[in-house]
Amino acid sequence: GAGVSQSPRYKVAKRGQDVALRCDPISGHVSLFWYQQALGQGPEFLTYFQNEAQLDKSGLPSDRFFAERPEGSVSTLKIQRTQQEDSAVYLCASSLSGRSGNTIYFGEGSWLTVV
Amino acid sequence: AQSVSQHNHHVILSEAASLELGCNYSYGGTVNLFWYVQYPGQHLQLLLKYFSGDPLVKGIKGFEAEFIKSKFSFNLRKPSVQWSDTAEYFCAVNEGTYKYIFGTGTRLKVLA
Repeated sequence: GAGVSQSPRYKVAKRGQDVALRCDPISGHVSLFWYQQALGQGPEFLTYFQNEAQLDKSGLPSDRFFAERPEGSVSTLKIQRTQQEDSAVYLCASSLSGRSGNTIYFGEGSWLTVV
Repeated sequence: AQSVSQHNHHVILSEAASLELGCNYSYGGTVNLFWYVQYPGQHLQLLLKYFSGDPLVKGIKGFEAEFIKSKFSFNLRKPSVQWSDTAEYFCAVNEGTYKYIFGTGTRLKVLA
Protein backbone atom coordinates (compact mmCIF):
# COMPACT_ATOMS: atom_id res chain seq x y z
CA GLY A 1 0.00 0.00 0.00
CA ALA A 2 0.91 3.65 -0.15
CA GLY A 3 1.55 4.01 3.56
CA VAL A 4 1.72 2.12 6.81
CA SER A 5 -1.70 0.83 7.72
CA GLN A 6 -2.79 -0.02 11.24
CA SER A 7 -5.92 -1.61 12.62
CA PRO A 8 -7.99 -1.19 14.59
CA ARG A 9 -7.71 2.58 14.78
CA TYR A 10 -9.54 2.63 18.10
CA LYS A 11 -9.92 -0.12 20.64
CA VAL A 12 -11.58 -0.07 24.04
CA ALA A 13 -10.69 -3.08 26.15
CA LYS A 14 -11.84 -4.13 29.56
CA ARG A 15 -9.06 -4.64 32.04
CA GLY A 16 -7.80 -8.19 31.79
CA GLN A 17 -8.82 -8.60 28.16
CA ASP A 18 -6.29 -9.58 25.49
CA VAL A 19 -5.88 -7.30 22.46
CA ALA A 20 -4.16 -7.67 19.10
CA LEU A 21 -3.05 -4.72 17.02
CA ARG A 22 -2.17 -5.17 13.39
CA CYS A 23 0.36 -3.35 11.23
CA ASP A 24 0.69 -3.53 7.48
CA PRO A 25 3.98 -1.84 6.53
CA ILE A 26 4.88 -0.21 3.25
CA SER A 27 5.47 -2.91 0.66
CA GLY A 28 9.12 -3.90 0.41
CA HIS A 29 10.14 -2.33 3.70
CA VAL A 30 12.49 -4.62 5.55
CA SER A 31 12.42 -2.87 8.91
CA LEU A 32 9.39 -2.59 11.14
CA PHE A 33 9.08 -0.83 14.46
CA TRP A 34 6.49 -0.59 17.20
CA TYR A 35 6.35 2.49 19.40
CA GLN A 36 4.10 3.38 22.32
CA GLN A 37 2.93 6.96 22.77
CA ALA A 38 1.30 7.86 26.06
CA LEU A 39 -0.75 11.01 26.39
CA GLY A 40 1.49 14.08 26.35
CA GLN A 41 4.60 12.09 25.58
CA GLY A 42 6.71 11.34 22.57
CA PRO A 43 6.80 7.90 20.98
CA GLU A 44 8.80 5.34 22.93
CA PHE A 45 10.50 2.38 21.29
CA LEU A 46 9.00 -1.03 21.93
CA THR A 47 10.47 -3.46 19.43
CA TYR A 48 12.21 -3.81 16.06
CA PHE A 49 12.00 -6.39 13.29
CA GLN A 50 14.23 -6.92 10.33
CA ASN A 51 12.17 -9.07 8.00
CA GLU A 52 10.73 -11.79 10.23
CA ALA A 53 13.48 -11.60 12.84
CA GLN A 54 12.75 -9.68 16.02
CA LEU A 55 16.16 -8.14 16.64
CA ASP A 56 15.29 -5.97 19.60
CA LYS A 57 12.45 -6.23 22.07
CA SER A 58 14.11 -4.26 24.83
CA GLY A 59 11.34 -1.68 24.96
CA LEU A 60 8.47 -4.04 25.64
CA PRO A 61 7.20 -3.00 29.10
CA SER A 62 6.39 -6.48 30.38
CA ASP A 63 6.02 -10.09 29.36
CA ARG A 64 2.35 -9.34 28.67
CA PHE A 65 3.50 -7.67 25.46
CA PHE A 66 4.35 -9.84 22.49
CA ALA A 67 5.04 -8.95 18.87
CA GLU A 68 5.47 -11.08 15.80
CA ARG A 69 6.07 -10.72 12.09
CA PRO A 70 6.02 -14.31 10.89
CA GLU A 71 6.36 -13.73 7.15
CA GLY A 72 8.38 -10.56 7.24
CA SER A 73 5.48 -8.35 6.25
CA VAL A 74 2.42 -7.84 8.45
CA SER A 75 3.10 -7.56 12.15
CA THR A 76 0.89 -8.04 15.19
CA LEU A 77 1.41 -6.56 18.63
CA LYS A 78 -0.43 -8.54 21.26
CA ILE A 79 -1.10 -7.37 24.77
CA GLN A 80 -2.32 -9.96 27.22
CA ARG A 81 -4.36 -9.22 30.34
CA THR A 82 -4.50 -5.50 29.59
CA GLN A 83 -4.03 -3.02 32.42
CA GLN A 84 -5.04 0.62 32.61
CA GLU A 85 -1.45 1.73 32.22
CA ASP A 86 -1.42 0.10 28.79
CA SER A 87 -3.74 2.86 27.53
CA ALA A 88 -1.79 4.65 24.81
CA VAL A 89 -1.42 5.04 21.10
CA TYR A 90 0.53 2.20 19.55
CA LEU A 91 2.45 3.34 16.50
CA CYS A 92 3.84 1.11 13.83
CA ALA A 93 6.55 2.36 11.51
CA SER A 94 8.55 0.88 8.68
CA SER A 95 11.66 1.72 6.71
CA LEU A 96 13.35 0.41 3.64
CA SER A 97 16.25 -1.03 5.58
CA GLY A 98 17.68 -1.01 9.05
CA ARG A 99 20.54 1.28 8.13
CA SER A 100 20.99 4.12 10.50
CA GLY A 101 19.43 7.34 9.42
CA ASN A 102 16.89 5.73 7.11
CA THR A 103 13.62 7.60 7.17
CA ILE A 104 10.94 5.73 9.04
CA TYR A 105 7.31 6.10 8.00
CA PHE A 106 4.63 5.95 10.64
CA GLY A 107 1.10 4.66 10.55
CA GLU A 108 -1.78 6.57 12.11
CA GLY A 109 -1.65 4.49 15.23
CA SER A 110 -3.99 2.28 17.18
CA TRP A 111 -5.57 4.12 20.11
CA LEU A 112 -6.02 1.69 22.99
CA THR A 113 -8.12 2.60 26.01
CA VAL A 114 -8.30 0.11 28.85
CA VAL A 115 -11.28 0.58 31.15
CA ALA B 1 21.02 7.06 28.75
CA GLN B 2 20.47 8.99 25.59
CA SER B 3 17.67 11.53 25.80
CA VAL B 4 16.05 14.30 23.80
CA SER B 5 14.70 17.45 25.43
CA GLN B 6 12.13 19.78 23.96
CA HIS B 7 11.76 22.62 26.40
CA ASN B 8 8.75 24.33 24.86
CA HIS B 9 5.70 22.16 25.48
CA HIS B 10 3.11 24.60 24.18
CA VAL B 11 3.68 27.55 21.87
CA ILE B 12 1.05 29.99 20.66
CA LEU B 13 1.86 32.37 17.83
CA SER B 14 0.00 34.69 15.53
CA GLU B 15 0.20 34.16 11.80
CA ALA B 16 3.35 35.63 10.23
CA ALA B 17 5.28 35.40 13.50
CA SER B 18 8.65 33.69 13.48
CA LEU B 19 9.05 30.29 15.07
CA GLU B 20 11.91 28.61 16.85
CA LEU B 21 11.45 25.32 18.70
CA GLY B 22 14.28 24.06 20.83
CA CYS B 23 15.70 20.54 20.80
CA ASN B 24 18.68 19.30 22.77
CA TYR B 25 20.05 15.77 22.92
CA SER B 26 22.41 14.05 25.28
CA TYR B 27 24.56 11.81 23.08
CA GLY B 28 28.19 12.68 22.43
CA GLY B 29 28.82 10.53 19.39
CA THR B 30 27.71 10.76 15.80
CA VAL B 31 23.99 11.30 15.55
CA ASN B 32 21.33 11.64 12.93
CA LEU B 33 18.68 14.21 13.80
CA PHE B 34 15.09 14.54 12.74
CA TRP B 35 12.04 16.69 13.14
CA TYR B 36 8.66 15.05 12.72
CA VAL B 37 5.30 16.81 12.60
CA GLN B 38 1.89 15.48 13.51
CA TYR B 39 -1.05 17.46 12.18
CA PRO B 40 -4.37 17.02 14.00
CA GLY B 41 -5.79 13.59 13.25
CA GLN B 42 -2.88 12.55 11.08
CA HIS B 43 0.19 10.38 11.39
CA LEU B 44 3.72 11.51 12.16
CA GLN B 45 5.45 12.86 9.07
CA LEU B 46 9.07 13.68 8.47
CA LEU B 47 9.72 17.41 8.28
CA LEU B 48 13.49 17.34 7.83
CA LYS B 49 16.58 15.40 8.76
CA TYR B 50 20.30 15.90 9.31
CA PHE B 51 22.88 13.20 8.65
CA SER B 52 26.09 15.09 7.88
CA GLY B 53 27.44 18.04 5.94
CA ASP B 54 25.85 21.48 5.98
CA PRO B 55 24.50 21.97 9.51
CA LEU B 56 21.66 24.12 8.20
CA VAL B 57 19.01 21.78 6.87
CA LYS B 58 16.00 22.84 4.85
CA GLY B 59 12.83 20.82 4.98
CA ILE B 60 9.33 20.92 3.63
CA LYS B 61 6.88 23.80 4.01
CA GLY B 62 9.56 26.41 4.64
CA PHE B 63 10.98 24.82 7.78
CA GLU B 64 14.68 24.66 8.52
CA ALA B 65 16.82 23.44 11.38
CA GLU B 66 20.36 24.11 12.46
CA PHE B 67 22.62 21.49 13.98
CA ILE B 68 25.02 23.03 16.51
CA LYS B 69 27.28 20.23 17.66
CA SER B 70 28.90 22.22 20.47
CA LYS B 71 25.49 22.89 21.99
CA PHE B 72 24.01 19.45 21.25
CA SER B 73 21.11 21.28 19.69
CA PHE B 74 18.94 20.95 16.60
CA ASN B 75 16.45 23.81 16.75
CA LEU B 76 13.60 24.09 14.28
CA ARG B 77 12.81 27.43 12.68
CA LYS B 78 10.36 29.02 10.32
CA PRO B 79 10.46 32.73 9.46
CA SER B 80 6.71 33.20 9.11
CA VAL B 81 4.18 30.67 10.39
CA GLN B 82 0.78 29.99 8.92
CA TRP B 83 -2.44 28.80 10.54
CA SER B 84 -1.89 25.45 8.79
CA ASP B 85 1.31 24.93 10.79
CA THR B 86 -0.79 24.20 13.87
CA ALA B 87 0.45 20.76 14.87
CA GLU B 88 2.65 18.88 17.29
CA TYR B 89 6.36 18.80 16.52
CA PHE B 90 8.74 16.07 17.66
CA CYS B 91 12.50 16.11 17.62
CA ALA B 92 14.19 12.70 17.31
CA VAL B 93 17.72 11.37 17.47
CA ASN B 94 19.19 8.26 15.95
CA GLU B 95 22.62 7.36 17.23
CA GLY B 96 23.71 5.23 14.33
CA THR B 97 21.41 2.31 14.94
CA TYR B 98 17.82 1.60 14.07
CA LYS B 99 16.55 3.01 17.37
CA TYR B 100 15.03 6.49 17.41
CA ILE B 101 14.71 8.50 20.60
CA PHE B 102 11.93 11.08 20.54
CA GLY B 103 11.38 14.19 22.59
CA THR B 104 8.09 14.80 24.35
CA GLY B 105 6.85 17.10 21.62
CA THR B 106 5.86 20.76 21.28
CA ARG B 107 2.28 21.70 20.54
CA LEU B 108 2.13 24.72 18.27
CA LYS B 109 -1.04 26.70 17.87
CA VAL B 110 -1.10 29.41 15.25
CA LEU B 111 -3.83 32.00 15.58
CA ALA B 112 -5.35 33.26 12.35
